Amino acid sequence: ETGVTQTPRHLVMGMTNKKSLKCEQHLGHNAMYWYKQSAKKPLELMFVYNFKEQTENNSVPSRFSPECPNSSHLFLHLHTLQPEDSALYLCASSQATGTGTDTQYFGPGTRLTVL
Amino acid sequence: ELKVEQNPLFLSMQEGKNYTIYCNYSTTSDRLYWYRQDPGKSLESLFVLLSNGAVKQEGRLMASLDTKARLSTLHITAAVHDLSATYFCAVEKGSNYQLIWGAGTKLIIKP
Repeated sequence: ETGVTQTPRHLVMGMTNKKSLKCEQHLGHNAMYWYKQSAKKPLELMFVYNFKEQTENNSVPSRFSPECPNSSHLFLHLHTLQPEDSALYLCASSQATGTGTDTQYFGPGTRLTVL
Repeated sequence: ELKVEQNPLFLSMQEGKNYTIYCNYSTTSDRLYWYRQDPGKSLESLFVLLSNGAVKQEGRLMASLDTKARLSTLHITAAVHDLSATYFCAVEKGSNYQLIWGAGTKLIIKP
């Protein structure tokens, strides 16, 4: 069992719904990440937070809205999603140093289906 | 733009055999990671390689890094069924905490 938890594990939503994904890390790390994993595609980095500050947003559509209230919690707010947004959403954390990042530890993921 | 390519993308092999997965990347990087993902599960860190010539081993898996060739290998020795999984390599992009990922190698080991 990892020190990164995610809820819910499965989510089915309509295109007009609003939902949120939650991630919590118990490892004392200072960086947190949201990734999207789609079938037959490389893992896509969506957002990076370091010490609660967003340091990266990889051209993610505005229907995905991240929130990082502290170094241990990360949310991904979802609204008016499209069917192509169906994927496994993975949260990760790491201890970021001044010159790079240590190993990222992943949560179990949320399997999202958009109808 | 940093690109990471793995090959093969799919590998079916018999128990007891040896094989190697390759990870090529397009620009200089300081760190390379190998992860494992079991079906329906999350990613588990296997190795982090930090310098040219680095070699790390854990059980039947051995990873190496050649930064001049921009190549890392993951070698499997005397494969066993429990090693069936998808293996990913990832390369650190700059110092802004980003990793660029390969597409993954799905490994099936048959008894």
